[in-house]
Amino acid sequence: KQEVTQIPAALSVPEGENLVLNCSFTDSAIYNLQWFRQDPGKGLTSLLLIQSSQREQTSGRLNASLDKSSGRSTLYIAASQPGDSATYLCAVEETSGSRLTFGEGTQLTVNP
Amino acid sequence: EAQVTQNPRYLITVTGKKLTVTCSQNMNHEYMSWYRQDPGLGLRQIYYSMNVEVTDKGDVPEGYKVSRKEKRNFPLILESPSPNQTSLYFCASSVDRGLEAFFGQGTRLTVV
Repeated sequence: KQEVTQIPAALSVPEGENLVLNCSFTDSAIYNLQWFRQDPGKGLTSLLLIQSSQREQTSGRLNASLDKSSGRSTLYIAASQPGDSATYLCAVEETSGSRLTFGEGTQLTVNP
Repeated sequence: EAQVTQNPRYLITVTGKKLTVTCSQNMNHEYMSWYRQDPGLGLRQIYYSMNVEVTDKGDVPEGYKVSRKEKRNFPLILESPSPNQTSLYFCASSVDRGLEAFFGQGTRLTVV
C-alpha cells in the first residue's frame, strides 16, 4: 500500500528565506505527483503537477522536483513571503489505481 | 469562473438522520471524487467516478453512497450518519485521471 510522508511537519521561517519541503513515497509505480496548498477554511489549490516521466516543474517562485526511483520529491520556495503561510500537501497518483494518496502536510509559517 | 462548489460548507446533524452533501463542477470534467480529511490520517478517498453512471469505491467507502447521474454533479450521501463520520469533506474533479485536480472548499460535518 502506498504511503506518503512529508518532512518536516511544521516549519517557521523569516520572510525572504529560501526553503525546501520534502515528500517521500513508498511505491515508485506512480502516474504523477502533485503539490497542493491548503489554507485554513479553504480547499486545496494545486500548485504543481509532475508527470512520472518528468524531473521537475516550475511556477513562479516554486520549483518541484521528482526522483521516482528513490521515491522522493521536493518543493522549493524561493524568497518566501508571509502570504506563503499555509499547509503544503504532497499527493501521488499510482498507475494501478484512481486515487490520490496524500501526505499529512507541512505547515509553513513565514514571519514578517 | 472555473470551480468546484460544495454545499453546505458547515453542517451539524444528529446520528441517523440522512443527509446529502452536494458537489458541482462547471469545467465539464470527467473525473470526480470525494475525500475526507481527519487529523493524523490526512486525506483519504471515499468514492470516485470516472464518468456519468460510473462510480467506484475508494479507501474508506463504508457508510457512504454516491451517484453520478449528470456529468457536473456528484453528491455524497450519508444514509445513517454516525459520530465517526465527523470530518472535513472535499470534492474534487479533473479532466481525467492523472491531470490537475481541482478541489471544492470543503464541508465540515459534525455528527452528534
